[in-house]
Amino acid sequence: AQTVTQSQPEMSVQEAETVTLSCTYDTSESDYYLFWYKQPPSRQMILVIRQEAYKQQNATENRFSVNFQKAAKSFSLKISDSQLGDAAMYFCAPGATGRRALTFGSGTRLQVQP
Amino acid sequence: EAGVAQSPRYKIIEKRQSVAFWCNPISGHATLYWYQQILGQGPKLLIQFQNNGVVDDSQLPKDRFSAERLKGVDSTLKIQPAKLEDSAVYLCASSTRQEYNEQFFGPGTRLTVL
Repeated sequence: AQTVTQSQPEMSVQEAETVTLSCTYDTSESDYYLFWYKQPPSRQMILVIRQEAYKQQNATENRFSVNFQKAAKSFSLKISDSQLGDAAMYFCAPGATGRRALTFGSGTRLQVQP
Repeated sequence: EAGVAQSPRYKIIEKRQSVAFWCNPISGHATLYWYQQILGQGPKLLIQFQNNGVVDDSQLPKDRFSAERLKGVDSTLKIQPAKLEDSAVYLCASSTRQEYNEQFFGPGTRLTVL
């Protein structure tokens, strides 16, 4: 079983600035992955970044990076050089291996101010 | 590569009526998921299929919800009879056999029950 906590319902950032979205989770799985998904208003959910729990190195995808602290069960998302198109709901989701379903947090709504 | 298709995009019904949603996953994706996303919350799994077999339906309200995936390709989710609390976005997702289980989401069907 997995639980996810996203403690920031809303965040705001100025364009070109950096913002960090927090996520903590709990899982009974020994082998798992962690995902951040983005859901723009009225548009479909897309994957932002993936982290393998067995890797110590933090994942990076262009302007997006994570700070993965396995012992603390923390998985935060950093967005650098924020752009207007980054405005969306962001969901943290741990997932066990073996094609099992994801468990989503309640989401953080990110606003980007011009 | 075509994405996950869902129809209809929007549906408004009266309580106690029936409704059906359709999903066509990405070609070749063996695993299909139906999630329910209530306004302000993260998606919650309703049912997971592997080919045409059910893997997990533990959170599906079976007294009113049913789903099938004939021939292991497209899938239909039905609600009969609908209740007010069924108002939500119904998301379909699919994934490949990849270990890390990246899920690709459709645009969703927004259901309003009056």
